[in-house]
Amino acid sequence: QAQLVQSGAEVKKPGASVKVSCKASGYTFSTYGISWVRQSPGQGLEWMGWVSTYNGNTNYAQKFQGRGTMTTDTSTSTAYMELRSLRSDDTAVYYCARRYVDTTVDTFDIWGQGTMVTVSS
Amino acid sequence: DIQMTQSPSSLSASVGDRVTITCRASQSISSYLNWYQQKPGKAPKLLIYAASSLQSGVPSRFTGSGSGTDFTLTISSLQPGDLATYFCQQSYTTPQTFGQGTKVEIK
Repeated sequence: QAQLVQSGAEVKKPGASVKVSCKASGYTFSTYGISWVRQSPGQGLEWMGWVSTYNGNTNYAQKFQGRGTMTTDTSTSTAYMELRSLRSDDTAVYYCARRYVDTTVDTFDIWGQGTMVTVSS
Repeated sequence: DIQMTQSPSSLSASVGDRVTITCRASQSISSYLNWYQQKPGKAPKLLIYAASSLQSGVPSRFTGSGSGTDFTLTISSLQPGDLATYFCQQSYTTPQTFGQGTKVEIK
């Protein structure tokens, strides 16, 4: 069955960078885009952006433009999200999600298990 | 950005009760509205997409309705396994935005 498996938890110091991976299996990777969503402790969900697995096009939320980079490696069916210049308020669980798009549908139908990123000095 | 407002923020209901959660968008989003269920310590799970379409494998006691700015998620008969937080999400435009969540507890 289709699934997304993310890399393990990370602990980083302020100012550092983190790169989270998201490996897809059970479907044709290049058919669906990958979105990234984060959730701060006890908080709601925040859309970070999206990357096309077909041509690498990206669309970032404004607050992550310039500080975040989303990429894909089609040879390994893996998507990556890198966040630089980390701050304490970047502490969150980061999720990748498969983006399913049709005529009147745009949804996240499969989610990774989440990666906890802790930013602390 | 489009603001998504859910109500209530939390609710407590008994097994078998009918539960209704509402979601309001700050502007029209047509039917680009999805509902997710998040159980404690787990990733969100898609329940309803395009406002009223039931995701494969999701029990039929979950229904979604609405269009434009006002949407509803209904659980027709609450079950113990429905303990979770429910989020709405608009995918009409970027940045895609989520409601703040509704925590459902079992009495």
